[in-house]
Amino acid sequence: HVLVMDSGGGLVKPGGSLRLSCTGSAFTFSDYYFTWIRQAPGKGLEWISYITNTAPTYYADSVKGRFTISRDNAKKSLYLQMNSLRVDDTAVYYCARFQGWYPPNDAFDIWGQGAMVTVSS
Amino acid sequence: DIQMTQSPSSLSSSVGDRVTITCRASQSISGYLNWYQQKPGKAPQLLIYTASSLQGGVPSRFSGSGSGTDFTLTISSLQPEDFATYYCQQSHTTPFTFGPGTKVDI
Repeated sequence: HVLVMDSGGGLVKPGGSLRLSCTGSAFTFSDYYFTWIRQAPGKGLEWISYITNTAPTYYADSVKGRFTISRDNAKKSLYLQMNSLRVDDTAVYYCARFQGWYPPNDAFDIWGQGAMVTVSS
Repeated sequence: DIQMTQSPSSLSSSVGDRVTITCRASQSISGYLNWYQQKPGKAPQLLIYTASSLQGGVPSRFSGSGSGTDFTLTISSLQPEDFATYYCQQSHTTPFTFGPGTKVDI
């Protein structure tokens, strides 16, 4: 069971946009909930969003209205569209999978490798 | 939001030591508490879920306990590969908050 984050990170100016992608393999992607978590340089982990297997979505206040989580089960892919980016959005972004036993109260058992997003002028 | 605290924030230990890390939630989260290990430059890895269940493939020297608001992660005999940062996380209520981490080093 693997999650691979496609090259979606990078450098963007404040106010800009970026989309992150995460693809699952070796499991039935459509059965699971997924989440995005970020980690600012030298800081701890911050949960930012999750999506159920039927696509209802939830967001942390810090990104609500600016970020959109989505999924394409046919492509076994998870996305995070990030708009109106701010300097304090600079972080490594991780996708992760809920265990699948009693979501959304599960732990996150499979993580992508992470993608660095830098917001700077 | 549920606030998570951890103590200590860092500790220095030796191979073979018994290590205990404490996590406290600002309100009851029943048993919805998970522990992760993170090494520098790597994604976190799940160690313990629902307070005391060992994730598959994780060595049995790791154990967790607690319920309500107070939880502990114990490493019974620290190994060289265990030097890392450990995070607790509550999965009771969104936002799913993490503790600030405990760095375990030599």
